[in-house]
Amino acid sequence: DGGITQSPKYLFRKEGQNVTLSCEQNLNHDAMYWYRQDPGQGLRLIYYSQIVNDFQKGDIAEGYSVSREKKESFPLTVTSAQKNPTAFYLCASSPGTSGGHEQFFGPGTRLTVL
Amino acid sequence: QQQVKQSPQSLIVQKGGISIINCAYENTAFDYFPWYQQFPGKGPALLIAIRPDVSEKKEGRFTISFNKSAKQFSLHIMDSQPGDSATYFCAASRAAGNKLTFGGGTRVLVKP
Repeated sequence: DGGITQSPKYLFRKEGQNVTLSCEQNLNHDAMYWYRQDPGQGLRLIYYSQIVNDFQKGDIAEGYSVSREKKESFPLTVTSAQKNPTAFYLCASSPGTSGGHEQFFGPGTRLTVL
Repeated sequence: QQQVKQSPQSLIVQKGGISIINCAYENTAFDYFPWYQQFPGKGPALLIAIRPDVSEKKEGRFTISFNKSAKQFSLHIMDSQPGDSATYFCAASRAAGNKLTFGGGTRVLVKP
């Protein structure tokens, strides 16, 4: 089955700890994205990458970091500098600028800071 | 600033009724307007999308209407069913890149 996987589904973190959320896709998509969703709100873009070894900040990048060493993987690290990290995190991918706009989403990771 | 404004925030409709969700955008460079459906605890899934060269697109019970001059587009859910109860997001992007700008979402509840 082709698709996007995110792990873990639920994640608990103590204040002051960094935590890394996993996102893997086997759709052979060039572009990948990370969004944050807070209760009752829309999706806000954290980081995106249109090609391996390159990524750009989205609208709310402060306190987050990413890497794109492989086409199929785009992990997100929530650092201790992120003041309010409790949220639902969604990863997405799309074919890229040459292949169309549709973004496919993973099932999400719910992060709770204790 | 690129923004997409969505309304209403929530709506309740009886089974068989019509749900209507509206979105307005500012950036005239946007050329792709998708709608996503999200169930609780799940990731959003693409429902239907439109480009500005058409004024309406229909897929089953879901229809997008697009008004380029007013910079508005809307989603109509005909014959709404309890299984349509979800949160719906409109979005927009430019041809030059795939970065989507999302509206704030509309929570739809269809009562049996």
